[in-house]
Amino acid sequence: DTAVSQTPKYLVTQMGNDKSIKCEQNLGHDTMYWYKQDSKKFLKIMFSYNNKELIINETVPNRFSPKSPDKAHLNLHINSLELGDSAVYFCASSQDAPTGIQYFGAGTRLSVL
Amino acid sequence: GQQLNQSPQSMFIQEGEDVSMNCTSSSIFNTWLWYKQDPGEGPVLLIALYKAGELTSNGRLTAQFGITRKDSFLNISASIPSDVGIYFCAGQDPSNSGYALNFGKGTSLLVTP
Repeated sequence: DTAVSQTPKYLVTQMGNDKSIKCEQNLGHDTMYWYKQDSKKFLKIMFSYNNKELIINETVPNRFSPKSPDKAHLNLHINSLELGDSAVYFCASSQDAPTGIQYFGAGTRLSVL
Repeated sequence: GQQLNQSPQSMFIQEGEDVSMNCTSSSIFNTWLWYKQDPGEGPVLLIALYKAGELTSNGRLTAQFGITRKDSFLNISASIPSDVGIYFCAGQDPSNSGYALNFGKGTSLLVTP
């Protein structure tokens, strides 16, 4: 079984639409994250959730809203999609957060046309 | 988050050669991590470092946590074609930003047979 799984793998949509990306981890971890990887491969933290509670929100437009129904899931909702939102979005999770070891999903490539 | 400077940006080498890449930060980190990303996949952890001066190996890979806590390097010995990918350093300062990882911009490695 995949430890951190994201769906969909690819998402192509029009500007102005609303879309969601789902993430699930079966590792029993307490903390989950969303990262954005831009076209130059730079990875930047967007959100961090610990036990369903938001602990990081890094200068992300409020069109992006994470939702954590339980500690195994962290979904990302994006409203009014813009061209600049095109990127690869990675979900990750960690157990003992101070150790730094985060496990990443395979990514969701979002293309906004 | 803090900016990490990772170099070189890319490397093109022949199979069998050794590779060295490094990462520096303007801030002190408590944890340094090295990840590898294959095309279409998420980053996979290679080595985690927790103490200044620590030198850790994982097969042909060796990484060190700089004594100033502001730098780290990764060496790959006797490279093989499957070493191809993007290597990222990442630092974590648990006192800031809820355990999010600050990533370098990556080193793209190409290995020719």
